[in-house]
Amino acid sequence: QVQLLESGPGLVKPSQTLSLTCTVSVGSITSGAYYWSWIRQRPGKGLDWIGSIHYSGSAFYNASLRSRASLSVDTSKSQFSLKLTAVTAADTAVYYCARGGAYDCSRGACYTPFDSWGQGTLVSVSS
Amino acid sequence: SSELTQDPAVSVALGQTVRLTCQGDILRSESASWYQQKPGQAPLLVIYGRNNRPSGIPDRFSGSTSGDTASLTISGAQADDEADYYCNSRDNNENHVVFGGGTKLTVL
Repeated sequence: QVQLLESGPGLVKPSQTLSLTCTVSVGSITSGAYYWSWIRQRPGKGLDWIGSIHYSGSAFYNASLRSRASLSVDTSKSQFSLKLTAVTAADTAVYYCARGGAYDCSRGACYTPFDSWGQGTLVSVSS
Repeated sequence: SSELTQDPAVSVALGQTVRLTCQGDILRSESASWYQQKPGQAPLLVIYGRNNRPSGIPDRFSGSTSGDTASLTISGAQADDEADYYCNSRDNNENHVVFGGGTKLTVL
């Protein structure tokens, strides 16, 4: 079973950029056709999908965050990353990385569930 | 619309059967997945596709879809099933992944 682990600062100041990395182990980020995703959960709220990226670099985003979110992948380190610019208190959340959301298929990107999740990391936005 | 609608809270007596629902137009053309989340833990996939359970998920969990509504059924609910449950699918037109708002299941 693939394992994922989020890392990054737990505190970010307003207007700055939130940067998180997810390291994939017991499996490779380049194995299979999976996309790799970021999902967040604000305190006491539900799950919000942020975006998904394939190891080839193909990515798609939640329309509500597209202007501020950017995903990247480093296959040499089996990692993928999230950058979220111009953060506010509303971006305070537990951020999860996960495998799935899509897989590379003949139609482009087809749906697949999130079958492996990281433990999550709390990021607070505060001065 | 890309929304998935779930009942905010449902309760079930211990040992009884409960069905959680998830409604949305995108379910007419794409399957739903279901996740269980307990406090302080990451979500756990319990049902995906037509009615598939990942390894380790008890067979009291089952899924179905009819029209625009997906259902997660727990047959013989156990105390350990008390959790938040989220449905999930993809809007293929908008290339957008969607979660329902979640259902808090209480086992009485």
